[in-house]
Amino acid sequence: SQQGEEDPQALSIQEGENATMNCSYKTSINNLQWYRQNSGRGLVHLILIRSNEREKHSGRLRVTLDTSKKSSSLLITASRAADTASYFCATDPNSGYSTLTFGKGTMLLVSP
Amino acid sequence: NAGVTQTPKFRVLKTGQSMTLLCAQDMNHEYMYWYRQDPGMGLRLIHYSVGEGTTAKGEVPDGYNVSRLKKQNFLLGLESAAPSQTSVYFCASSYTRDTINQETQYFGPGTRLLVL
Repeated sequence: SQQGEEDPQALSIQEGENATMNCSYKTSINNLQWYRQNSGRGLVHLILIRSNEREKHSGRLRVTLDTSKKSSSLLITASRAADTASYFCATDPNSGYSTLTFGKGTMLLVSP
Repeated sequence: NAGVTQTPKFRVLKTGQSMTLLCAQDMNHEYMYWYRQDPGMGLRLIHYSVGEGTTAKGEVPDGYNVSRLKKQNFLLGLESAAPSQTSVYFCASSYTRDTINQETQYFGPGTRLLVL
């Protein structure tokens, strides 16, 4: 079963704009991760936020985590055409072996 | 370092045929995973391994078998392929004892499988 659900399913913006994607999950977690997938490629890890953290930054990425609402958001600032990809949140349900449960993803299109 | 590699990149099978997908990693990772990705879906975990000689079932294990005879390799087998197994298969690995974000998974480029 899908643990994380991203919203929106698709997002279309212009270069320079900010893109915000949301993820909701159902059970308690150790950490939540965001991955990017370019068309036809494998997933690439972007950022990990632990259950005791509320916000984390990495370059143009900002991730927030609200464990009381079981939700996370990924903000990409000053988007570029190269950011066009699918973005997935993945939760680690404290299995002890880092098994991740992925959402269905948000498809982001950044137009020049 | 090559990271995570997968063989083959693409394969067409007929229903009932068997095949093995090979995943190799050169990062000395302890854990390895096999996922499948279907259109409009996220990744679903098929099987995983937490060390050489160990395997465990994931969310969708039926119809697949795995083996981890060497630490760097994780094999996914389809004994009798079915059209429902048409998918893109991704291998991933994670966890070495001396890294900070041990939970980060590193993915291979994928194997596209079509079962007719």
